[in-house]
Amino acid sequence: AQSVTQPDIHITVSEGASLELRCNYSYGATPYLFWYVQSPGQGLQLLLKYFSGDTLVQGIKGFEAEFKRSQSSFNLRKPSVHWSDAAEYFCAVASGNTPLVFGKGTRLSVIA
Amino acid sequence: GAVVSQHPSWVICKSGTSVKIECRSLDFQATTMFWYRQFPKQSLMLMATSNEGSKATYEQGVEKDKFLINHASLTLSTLTVTSAHPEDSSFYICSAPRGAGGPGNNEQFFGPGTRLTVL
Repeated sequence: AQSVTQPDIHITVSEGASLELRCNYSYGATPYLFWYVQSPGQGLQLLLKYFSGDTLVQGIKGFEAEFKRSQSSFNLRKPSVHWSDAAEYFCAVASGNTPLVFGKGTRLSVIA
Repeated sequence: GAVVSQHPSWVICKSGTSVKIECRSLDFQATTMFWYRQFPKQSLMLMATSNEGSKATYEQGVEKDKFLINHASLTLSTLTVTSAHPEDSSFYICSAPRGAGGPGNNEQFFGPGTRLTVL
């Protein structure tokens, strides 16, 4: 069965600092991988996705993620965090037309 | 990008009443829609898969008689929480995949969610 692990429940970074959110997945074949962001009380917004091809994926709001098959990872990065990036981040995996399986999420706090 | 809407965005109801939540794909047809539930500060958990023209498929542990799903058309799925109780209070999110699957075709679009509070 597919599963997603986000090891960090809560991360705090200073505004302007770099960010990396970890995501590991378990799946037999090549998965489709996603990162979503959720602001309080809001729905999900897709940041980026990986289906195939270039393993470094660029997304919206300056985010990027790198698919590393050998490590079963799909970590999300941003070189310089803004206060507006404070939110909950979810990594998710799917295959074909199946529903997404989500990680438990990482809450990002940004301090001045 | 594609848009999925949900209505209402929030609802407060009394215990014992039923609440209907609508999920619409506004600019594409969706033969399948997914319903998720999210408890505070937790992840999304898949409740059921809604299939147009056939019965919904429920995940283990989800009561199908309590959470009634109807996929009336290619753009509308409804979730009815019957005889709601305070423990049903949650954030309900639907999603609709666009495309027939396969590389580059599997993108799911999420509704903004419905916050249900049962008093």
